[in-house]
Amino acid sequence: SQTIHQWPATLVQPVGSPLSLECTVEGTSNPNLYWYRQAAGRGLQLLFYSVGIGQISSEVPQNLSASRPQDRQFILSSKKLLLSDSGFYLCAWSTAYEQYFGPGTRLTVT
Amino acid sequence: AQRVTQPEKLLSVFKGAPVELKCNYSYSGSPELFWYVQYSRQRLQLLLRHISRESIKGFTADLNKGETSFHLKKPFAQEEDSAMYYCAPHAGGTSYGKLTFGQGTILTVHP
Repeated sequence: SQTIHQWPATLVQPVGSPLSLECTVEGTSNPNLYWYRQAAGRGLQLLFYSVGIGQISSEVPQNLSASRPQDRQFILSSKKLLLSDSGFYLCAWSTAYEQYFGPGTRLTVT
Repeated sequence: AQRVTQPEKLLSVFKGAPVELKCNYSYSGSPELFWYVQYSRQRLQLLLRHISRESIKGFTADLNKGETSFHLKKPFAQEEDSAMYYCAPHAGGTSYGKLTFGQGTILTVHP
């Protein structure tokens, strides 16, 4: 069966520090992959999606970037974190329509 | 622009009462519509999709194209229904499975 992993579960980082969040999927090949952010008091916002290795589309301009070095690995990064980057980050993969979500990473930028 | 609105951030009902979570969308074409749910300490997961016309955990959702709404309903709420609910249209076609989530409604069912 398919599973999706995210780590770390929680992270506290100072402003200006780098960020790397990792997401891996098991049990499927060539999935569409997504990064979402849920900021306090706001809904889920799609940040990036990927339809294949090295193919990244950004949905909103921001301080973050994404990479897909392997078929089932999706990485969210930042060179210098801002306070506004705090939030709950979710990775997901999809079949034709249904999306399957990871457990999320709670990021606090101090 | 594609937009989805869930007007209620918080919704409280008592156990056994009917509940309706509202969702209105603004989309070109004919989107697929979904409701996702996140229970406490669990992952966000699909609750139901309009095309399947299912009733999941007693919930149903009717797509009203005239009103561009996809409200989620349950005739008798249970305490275990307390969760965050997201309405999510899918544009279909070459949108690569992207969903646009509403801001979510936190449902609390009191005993």
